[in-house]
Amino acid sequence: NAGVMQNPRHLVRRRGQEARLRCSPMKGHSHVYWYRQLPEEGLKFMVYLQKENIIDESGMPKERFSAEFPKEGPSILRIQQVVRGDSAAYFCASSPEQVGGVQYFGPGTRLTVT
Amino acid sequence: AQSVTQLGSHVSVSEGALVLLRCNYSSSVPPYLFWYVQYPNQGLQLLLKYTTGATLVKGINGFEAEFKKSETSFHLTKPSAHMSDAAEYFCAVSGISNFGNEKLTFGTGTRLTIIP
Repeated sequence: NAGVMQNPRHLVRRRGQEARLRCSPMKGHSHVYWYRQLPEEGLKFMVYLQKENIIDESGMPKERFSAEFPKEGPSILRIQQVVRGDSAAYFCASSPEQVGGVQYFGPGTRLTVT
Repeated sequence: AQSVTQLGSHVSVSEGALVLLRCNYSSSVPPYLFWYVQYPNQGLQLLLKYTTGATLVKGINGFEAEFKKSETSFHLTKPSAHMSDAAEYFCAVSGISNFGNEKLTFGTGTRLTIIP
């Protein structure tokens, strides 16, 4: 059973460009979470999605960031007009349950904004 | 609101010595608690979790943690450190959001170095 897949693993963008981060959850998992890890900090919750629904986006910055989890295909975290402060590791996790299930993490996408 | 405090951002121990990584939490409801390990340039791997029941939880790679409600602590220990234990360790508490979903609140992490 493959784990949570994320791609790309490393992404370099210039200021003002768009970044698209992809996450394929574990087979049978319909709950996806995105977390951001800034340098020297712990992971911070960004958004929780189920298929075709954003349930909790309380941790998402109000502008430039969006997420989706379509009926078919991976979950996408999209950052428009990136700035240097967006440089971080972005982790996706999936779970088989909304509550009480363990969250399994992917290897992360390391975004560098130059 | 939940919070997690990990005392000591860097801990060094000699190979074969006891590993003790400290975690204190704040939660308004009975917490679910987790320890994750992160190796360089990799994602987080679950070491162990506490939900209910026995307060001493055994995890993978010889690690264990004890839930102490009176001290609001969930310290991670391993009797004998191995070189392969060098990594970053994160304590996390889970809570239920206003939307009914679970989400994790992480501490800032402790980087464990093993001295040969």
